Amino acid sequence: GESVGLHLPTLSVQEGDNSIINCAYSNSASDYFIWYKQESGKGPQFIIDIRSNMDKRQGQRVTVLLNKTVKHLSLQIAATQPGDSAVYFCAENGGYNKLIFGAGTRLAVHP
Amino acid sequence: DSGVTQTPKHLITATGQRVTLRCSPRSGDLSVYWYQQSLDQGLQFLIQYYNGEERAKGNILERFSAQQFPDLHSELNLSSLELGDSALYFCASRGGGGGVDEQFFGPGTRLTVL
Repeated sequence: GESVGLHLPTLSVQEGDNSIINCAYSNSASDYFIWYKQESGKGPQFIIDIRSNMDKRQGQRVTVLLNKTVKHLSLQIAATQPGDSAVYFCAENGGYNKLIFGAGTRLAVHP
Repeated sequence: DSGVTQTPKHLITATGQRVTLRCSPRSGDLSVYWYQQSLDQGLQFLIQYYNGEERAKGNILERFSAQQFPDLHSELNLSSLELGDSALYFCASRGGGGGVDEQFFGPGTRLTVL
């Protein structure tokens, strides 16, 4: 499939390393945030979410950290695998449940 | 597979034409969202329908319109197409419960305007 966002920032990691993808959001009143993964030729796929009353949430191999003071989100992927290669988007609730997406970061995992 | 289907997968048309993109939400989901993904604008919210009624609007052009039918499928109509309308168009669906829940995205329709 074709790539979207050919000029996205890219994070290159070695297989097995931990990855950290960062995102700044715009609205201090946002109460819900989501990380999506988009593989080439596919639609965004939900990874993990967090509400504004939390600072940290863990899933399987993934952790999301929320710093409301500086309006910053991060996604940590443990033991990164080749299958994790994709574009990662953070999104915030823009009201009425519509999502406002960040620009995205391309994660490239090298063997 | 998210359970959301979109047709067609690819669409190639000329400037000035009109096209219709179709979305079938996951079984039981009442909300449908349309998003546009272009190289320069990223993923942008266009419009939301809930159980047949328009609920929220984003930066949707007046040349674009949408509707949700009684069987809950939705169509996005794009008219007087311009080169800049070339993009991926995604539909997402969400359950009918209150609050903000995960949106499930379809595979998208790639529109190319020549």
